Amino acid sequence: GQSLEQPSEVTAVEGAIVQINCTYQTSGFYGLSWYQQHDGGAPTFLSYNALDGLEETGRFSSFLSRSDSYGYLLLQELQMKDSASYFCAVMDSSYKLIFGSGTRLLVRP
Amino acid sequence: NAGVTQTPKFQVLKTGQSMTLQCAQDMNHNSMYWYRQDPGMGLRLIYYSASEGTTDKGEVPNGYNVSRLNKREFSLRLESAAPSQTSVYFCASSPSGPGELFFGEGSRLTVL
Repeated sequence: GQSLEQPSEVTAVEGAIVQINCTYQTSGFYGLSWYQQHDGGAPTFLSYNALDGLEETGRFSSFLSRSDSYGYLLLQELQMKDSASYFCAVMDSSYKLIFGSGTRLLVRP
Repeated sequence: NAGVTQTPKFQVLKTGQSMTLQCAQDMNHNSMYWYRQDPGMGLRLIYYSASEGTTDKGEVPNGYNVSRLNKREFSLRLESAAPSQTSVYFCASSPSGPGELFFGEGSRLTVL
């Protein structure tokens, strides 16, 4: 089966940088995705890593190390609107996409 | 720009009642998914359909059935609702394989 681990909660100051880690175990692996979800809303896609390395999209970057079964989401120049829950997710060889339990990010002024 | 549309958005059921959650996407996506999310928790996969004509169990399929009616529509049925099925249900779709999932707004179900 699959399992993903990420911290339950992270707090950071506006303007700072924060890193949210994710370790996973899966049978077959296509890639690691990250999603953002604001309270009461639907998850929205942030990034996808299929290969090792860093992917950058604006203030957000995502990293993957397949050999370590590890990835992280890096958020730079934090803004108050970044306060949300962040989920990592892995897709296995049968196209089943499994989510981690989420990291709640609180950005303080 | 409808994307993924779920109906109903809110529903209250009594224990033992049945209901169907409807999901439709207009993006010509091959894969569709049903997740449930309990308060303060992550999303758990109930069923998914990698392509039209196929459905597979996810992490928590017990108590649910699905139908991939056509490429656009993927419904989730609760035959005999239980209080443990009180949750927010999200439908999602993707073009195929790994990558971005597009989510509906969610359906909030309460079973009394």
